[in-house]
Amino acid sequence: EAGVAQSPRYKIIEKRQSVAFWCNPISGHATLYWYQQILGQGPKLLIQFQNNGVVDDSQLPKDRFSAERLKGVDSTLKIQPAKLEDSAVYLCASSLGDIRLAYEQYFGPGTRLTVT
Amino acid sequence: ILNVEQSPQSLHVQEGDSTNFTCSFPSSNFYALHWYRWETAKSPEALFVMTLNGDEKKKGRISATLNTKEGYSYLYIKGSQPEDSATYLCAFGGNNRLAFGKGNQVVVIP
Repeated sequence: EAGVAQSPRYKIIEKRQSVAFWCNPISGHATLYWYQQILGQGPKLLIQFQNNGVVDDSQLPKDRFSAERLKGVDSTLKIQPAKLEDSAVYLCASSLGDIRLAYEQYFGPGTRLTVT
Repeated sequence: ILNVEQSPQSLHVQEGDSTNFTCSFPSSNFYALHWYRWETAKSPEALFVMTLNGDEKKKGRISATLNTKEGYSYLYIKGSQPEDSATYLCAFGGNNRLAFGKGNQVVVIP
């Protein structure tokens, strides 16, 4: 089966610019996650979707970050405007169900964002 | 904030040696404990998902144990090979969220 697809793989922008990331999960996976992984730290959940509804966005900096999941399939994550501290790898993952059902997560290759 | 600690943060292992590392997590509101392997330039890949106290899982030379009462999991690599070089992430599933540790970075020296 095809894995989780993400694009772009790399992005370099200047601070105060905008950027968008795209994710296509594994077909049939109801749950989609966006994580931010800053160098030296573990992945931090930004937002979790169940189909096209938001389950958890408590750690999403909503003044600059936004995300949507179109028709419960593809998802985009946007940063506007970017700050230097947003430099990180942005990982998208999907799973059949949510954490209470203990499904493993399938990750995409990530987007490495550098903000200068 | 869910506190997930992994130790040691990094280690170098001689090819053929066995090694193990620890993941500590909250002992309340537990749903599952995940282990992932993240090789450089690749996607994190699931190794194990464990849900029951006392669970032991094995995949090839890698195995894991789970103690939910005291809040820890061990990951073991037997007879390390260069292809085992990676960052091993554990993640605690609780309070309807998966919280990751910082990872154990393993370098196997040929």
